[in-house]
Amino acid sequence: DTGVSQDPRHKITKRGQNVTFRCDPISEHNRLYWYRQTLGQGPEFLTYFQNEAQLEKSRLLSDRFSAERPKGSFSTLEIQRTEQGDSAMYLCASSSTSGRPPGELFFGEGSRLTVL
Amino acid sequence: GENVEQHPSTLSVQEGDSAVIKCTYSDSASNYFPWYKQELGKRPQLIIDIRSNVGEKKDQRIAVTLNKTAKHFSLHITETQPEDSAVYFCAASIMDYKLSFGAGTTVTVRA
Repeated sequence: DTGVSQDPRHKITKRGQNVTFRCDPISEHNRLYWYRQTLGQGPEFLTYFQNEAQLEKSRLLSDRFSAERPKGSFSTLEIQRTEQGDSAMYLCASSSTSGRPPGELFFGEGSRLTVL
Repeated sequence: GENVEQHPSTLSVQEGDSAVIKCTYSDSASNYFPWYKQELGKRPQLIIDIRSNVGEKKDQRIAVTLNKTAKHFSLHITETQPEDSAVYFCAASIMDYKLSFGAGTTVTVRA
């Protein structure tokens, strides 16, 4: 499967613990995005990379959240000192600036976080 | 920032009938309007998109219309089939990134 893959698919953790999610985008895609989706809502933008550079972060991304894309390939999203309000589906997406159509986002299956 | 509102939140249609979902957006600079379909437990997938230089686009049973003056766009599904049952999200963006999504419409096609 050459689509976007995310790991783990499910994570249950206790409040105050740290969690890390990994995203492997489609290999030729230079843009990578993280979104958060809660039940009954559309995905909310968190952050975006072009190659290895993090170009934009949403105000939703508190200091407890950090994302990296060290070599312009896979990305990690870490949440420190998790809170119950962090429970959500974390979606990764990738796109190519030269894709057809340009800008189409390809989403992964998501990583579902449950904070107890 | 961009604010996208989507209506209705749920839609039940008889198989073979049409379904229409409407969205409004706030930022007049937005120029890219995709629609995503998300089946239960699956990833969102692009089904159709439209850019601000066109008013309508059609792909088989799916069509999207855009009214830039009124800042609204709509998804039309004709001859609905059971496999059209899913959650549909509209989105808007400037320059193809940082999509702002609507809250979604759960479409149920009754056999």
